[in-house]
Amino acid sequence: GPKVLQIPSHQIIDMGQMVTLNCDPVSNHLYFYWYKQILGQQMEFLVNFYNGKVMEKSKLFKDQFSVERPDGSYFTLKIQPTALEDSAVYFCASSPPGPYEQYFGPGTRLTVL
Amino acid sequence: QQKVQQSPESLIVPEGGMASLNCTSSDRNVDYFWWYRQHSGKSPKMLMSIFSNGEKEEGRFTVHLNKASLHTSLHIRDSQPSDSALYLCAASKAGNTGKLIFGLGTTLQVQP
Repeated sequence: GPKVLQIPSHQIIDMGQMVTLNCDPVSNHLYFYWYKQILGQQMEFLVNFYNGKVMEKSKLFKDQFSVERPDGSYFTLKIQPTALEDSAVYFCASSPPGPYEQYFGPGTRLTVL
Repeated sequence: QQKVQQSPESLIVPEGGMASLNCTSSDRNVDYFWWYRQHSGKSPKMLMSIFSNGEKEEGRFTVHLNKASLHTSLHIRDSQPSDSALYLCAASKAGNTGKLIFGLGTTLQVQP
């Protein structure tokens, strides 16, 4: 079936540094999402993105977070600067318009030291 | 309080048995329910979705929805060891954002 790819699978970074998480969504999808999952806690919505713009973001999407998809390339989540509480698995998802299934990538495990 | 509540937290069923998982939204402004399955260390994959009152069946999986109580349930018959996973219920609202609100999940273990 359709696949969403995420790079890297793991990232270890020192607190205060910048990190960029990359997502290669399904090719004909138009909506892109980031979710955050801390071990033992629920998967939480961060942000969604359509037509070059953020459509909705949650309280977890702090000012240090930004997303973009320049020229149809990777959909990226940038955190600058990182904080200890940013340690989590970040899942990217994409979907066509409408109430369609969101396809999730394998996740990037981010560890902030 | 979680807006999407799932029960039980964990469930053990014998191979060949029936697994029943529950999910309720406390947010009345939801329109769609989704069931995702997440094997350990993997990404969530959608199993079934339901938008209208009633029942929907796909193979061994049946999902029910009662929109008045915002309760959905997932039933897996003839459970297999490969069904062992975390089952996530999610709700979303009609409109163009598509944001999914997830519950904490039910961990299902199917014992051979």
